[in-house]
Amino acid sequence: QQPVQSPQAVILREGEDAVINCSSSKALYSVHWYRQKHGEAPVFLMILLKGGEQKGHEKISASFNEKKQQSSLYLTASQLSYSGTYFCGTELWGGADGLTFGKGTHLIIQP
Amino acid sequence: DGGITQSPKYLFRKEGQNVTLSCEQNLNHDAMYWYRQDPGQGLRLIYYSQIVNDFQKGDIAEGYSVSREKKESFPLTVTSAQKNPTAFYLCASRSLADNSYEQYFGPGTRLTVT
Repeated sequence: QQPVQSPQAVILREGEDAVINCSSSKALYSVHWYRQKHGEAPVFLMILLKGGEQKGHEKISASFNEKKQQSSLYLTASQLSYSGTYFCGTELWGGADGLTFGKGTHLIIQP
Repeated sequence: DGGITQSPKYLFRKEGQNVTLSCEQNLNHDAMYWYRQDPGQGLRLIYYSQIVNDFQKGDIAEGYSVSREKKESFPLTVTSAQKNPTAFYLCASRSLADNSYEQYFGPGTRLTVT
């Protein structure tokens, strides 16, 4: 089942902070976060696993609340380069049988 | 440099023709995936393969076919049975080794069928 992302879109000024959420109605094994620029492939940002393990870029911060089956991506002191569409992809178990993606959150950073 | 290549970047076909999209990786990844992306939508899984000569249907496999004859290659054929083939197609791969969970994407192929 497709995870639900919120908000659908965010407009920020450079230097402001944003939080993007990803919720699932089913128990998750992992949550993967990607950023996609227009016309390009999604770029891996971070993965959060059931049990607390995280792997990703140092400048990216995220959390995974297993009780709520919700993950949040924190973008602090935003830069112009942060603009794009953010997707979360989820796995229900660790079988590497592909991700189920949300519809994305559009982030626009203005100077 | 290691990575995933997809060719061509743009592809145009007439309705009723089959078309094959290429995906090659030199990351020595075990698993490979095909996703489809429509405007304003997330990615949807078409097919995936975790080992040579074996593949599984994803959520939207109808009208598509794949093969995995080599570990490095996972071509996708869009057949004439696919009702709405125009989309952005993304290939991805990941290792199945322990503690390796990241899935990486190729640059994509934008297919337009008229």
